[in-house]
Order: sequence, then structure tokens, then C-alpha cells
Amino acid sequence: EADIYQTPRYLVIGTGKKITLECSQTMGHDKMYWYQQDPGMELHLIHYSYGVNSTEKGDLSSESTVSRIRTEHFPLTLESARPSHTSQYLCASTPRGLNTEAFFGQGTRLTVV
Amino acid sequence: LAKTTQPISMDSYEGQEVNITCSHNNIATNDYITWYQQFPSQGPRFIIQGYKTKVTNEVASLFIPADRKSSTLSLPRVSLSDTAVYYCLVGVSGGSYIPTFGRGTSLIVHP
Repeated sequence: EADIYQTPRYLVIGTGKKITLECSQTMGHDKMYWYQQDPGMELHLIHYSYGVNSTEKGDLSSESTVSRIRTEHFPLTLESARPSHTSQYLCASTPRGLNTEAFFGQGTRLTVV
Repeated sequence: LAKTTQPISMDSYEGQEVNITCSHNNIATNDYITWYQQFPSQGPRFIIQGYKTKVTNEVASLFIPADRKSSTLSLPRVSLSDTAVYYCLVGVSGGSYIPTFGRGTSLIVHP
């Protein structure tokens, strides 16, 4: 089993609230990613990191921000949640070397009311 | 980054073999081919990876022709629990590689 964890698993929150989605991995992977996925739709990359103190925006514009202060931790923050942020958020990491296998967390299902 | 093309959807019945083909005409010399499976409300899960010829594990087989411009994921004797979305990715780890998922193939297995 992959050692990558996301909390919370489900979150219902009111408009305007600040939220942080947590993602941690214990595999020592340098590269980590956040994807956003709506039901039945493809995964869209919103943020990624090559390592500590590295953060990049992905293909899909997002109002969220990320930080990477420690290798194992890659939290995603929404300063002011809106109903348009309702979606599933998936965190992943990849190891070094030729193996391109991405390990995913269970995801956070966010609903903004 | 090599672009991949897969069928949007496929239907099958329990006990049948399912073959999902992915086209990647612009695959680079060092690229690996990786397949993932995703169930609703879960993150994708690695199934199999290969570089050339054939790779087999306890879940599936991956067939890659000599020109590597396509690959076929083979699921033997599918069951209802194999109903999922299957993604084909191409790339090589390190440097600027970012796992990029397209629409994938939605496989529905019928009783």
C-alpha cells in the first residue's frame, strides 16, 4: 500500500471560509502534485512541487495556494472558499529513478455551500 | 511530452478478456508506458508499466509492439469489480516529468 495520506476525506464548508487540505507522504518522494477532478471528468493538475521550497502552478488555473516546507508535507489552501471550488482534490507523489509510478492519496471531497 | 489517445469507453461482460489500446505516436526513446486504474471517488492506482515487448503481472498484461507507437492493456477474465477508468501515460521519471492524465477509457463490465 502507498504511504500517502490526505485529510480530511470529506469536507463541507460555508462560502468565504479558509480551508487547508492536508497531504503527507512517508516515502521520501521529492515530487508531489495536486490534481482536481470533477465526477466523470479527467484529472487536472493544479499545483506541483519538485522538492522543498519548490512550488509551481499546473495546467488548470486555481485560486488555491500550496507550500512545501518539508519533503513529506504538501498542503493546499483556499483563502476564501466558493461554491465553484466544490470538487475532489487528489494528492500524489513520484519517486526518483526510472520508475514513473505515481502514488495517490484517497482524495478529499470538498463541498462549498 | 508524448500525447496519448485511447477510446473514451468500452463495454464487456464478466469472464471476457478486455484489451484497451493506447496510441502514442510521439513517444520518446527513453519514455516508459504506464497504466492506471481509477474507481469512483478514489485516486488512480498503478496497474502496470513497460518499455517494450510484453510485461505481465498478477493483474494485467501489457503488450508493446516494436515501434512502441501504441500499447495494449489486457485484462484477463474481467469481473464486475474491474469496472473503472483506465489511463495510459507516457514519460520518463526525473527532470520535468509530470504525470498527465487524459480522459482515460471508461470500462463497464456487465453481468
